[in-house]
Amino acid sequence: AQSVTQLDSHVSVSEGTPVLLRCNYSSSYSPSLFWYVQHPNKGLQLLLKYTSAATLVKGINGFEAEFKKSETSFHLTKPSAHMSDAAEYFCVVIHTGTASKLTFGTGTRLQVTL
Amino acid sequence: GAGVSQSPSNKVTEKGKDVELRCDPISGHTALYWYRQSLGQGLEFLIYFQGNSAPDKSGLPSDRFSAERTGGSVSTLTIQRTQQEDSAVYLCASSIAGGIHEQYFGPGTRLTVT
Repeated sequence: AQSVTQLDSHVSVSEGTPVLLRCNYSSSYSPSLFWYVQHPNKGLQLLLKYTSAATLVKGINGFEAEFKKSETSFHLTKPSAHMSDAAEYFCVVIHTGTASKLTFGTGTRLQVTL
Repeated sequence: GAGVSQSPSNKVTEKGKDVELRCDPISGHTALYWYRQSLGQGLEFLIYFQGNSAPDKSGLPSDRFSAERTGGSVSTLTIQRTQQEDSAVYLCASSIAGGIHEQYFGPGTRLTVT
């Protein structure tokens, strides 16, 4: 079975400083991985996805993530946090095949302070 | 164009009553998914429809839950004899096809069972 583990339930950074949200995956074969963001009272939005092409994936709003097979990690980063980045972030693995369902991590709440 | 829409946005019901939640996917999307987001369980997959294929119901928590998709478009999730543990936000998503295509999420229906 495939799964993801988000290592931090809550991360707080100052505006203008780097963001690191950590995610480890478990899979018996090469997974497809995603990061989704959920702003308060809004729907889930795809930030970026990894599908076995380039290991460094760039997403929207300046976010990027690097797939590291040796570390089974898919950490989300951003060089400089903005107040509007405050939200809940979910690392997600997809089950390929006939059932394309997403399995979500438990989420990391990002707080951005002045 | 219009995104995924869900109705109602909020639903309060008494324990033991039946409820119906509606999802209108993005036009032309053949795949439709239902997920549930609750404090205790996080985000979990419920059911997946792809075209005219039999739905994947592997995530439905009990036989009180059912869903249908009429004409390959609108979907209705029905919960019979609601229980307090059914209180959650029910999310619908659609994608252009199954597999690793991006899933676009609706704003959700917040269900409260009293």
